[in-house]
Amino acid sequence: GNSVTQMEGPVTLSEEAFLTINCTYTATGYPSLFWYVQYPGEGLQLLLKATKADDKGSNKGFEATYRKETTSFHLEKGSVQVSDSAVYFCALLNSGGYQKVTFGTGTKLQVIP
Amino acid sequence: EAGVAQSPRYKIIEKRQSVAFWCNPISGHATLYWYQQILGQGPKLLIQFQNNGVVDDSQLPKDRFSAERLKGVDSTLKIQPAKLEDSAVYLCASSPGAGDEQYFGPGTRLTVT
Repeated sequence: GNSVTQMEGPVTLSEEAFLTINCTYTATGYPSLFWYVQYPGEGLQLLLKATKADDKGSNKGFEATYRKETTSFHLEKGSVQVSDSAVYFCALLNSGGYQKVTFGTGTKLQVIP
Repeated sequence: EAGVAQSPRYKIIEKRQSVAFWCNPISGHATLYWYQQILGQGPKLLIQFQNNGVVDDSQLPKDRFSAERLKGVDSTLKIQPAKLEDSAVYLCASSPGAGDEQYFGPGTRLTVT
């Protein structure tokens, strides 16, 4: 079946540091890939997505590139802010047939001033 | 546009009691999802509705969990009787159709003592 593996947290960074959160996936066919963010006390929000190989999703300074050869979709941001502190979930939507989203376990990011 | 509404936001019950959660999706969204998010894990799909029909309930513990979406709009998820391991955040999401971007509500945090 489909699965998503992301790096364990928590990740603690100083403000303006570079962020990478690793995500790899297992799926048949050509899934769509997503990063969701969950701020404290809130529901999940879609941060960015990519629907085919080599696509780059970007939003709010975050970006991730769909790498089919390495089955990865790593999240990056050049300079994090305290307001980026949240839990980040990598997810995939399988292609074809019944479409279902599979989530990773989440990575908590804490940015300190 | 109003988002996905859920109530209550928090609920504390004793084991063997029953509890119900309510979700009102974004107007016009045909697909509605219920997820269970245990602390430290990613959301797990419990049930997916397309209008008022069930598309997938393969991970719903049917001996104690039930859900309905009678008029194809709002939905209720019930647990009866609750167990300690049901302590989690229950997330509702909706999308225009299956495979479209999902919009999440704030969730209901359930504590079973």
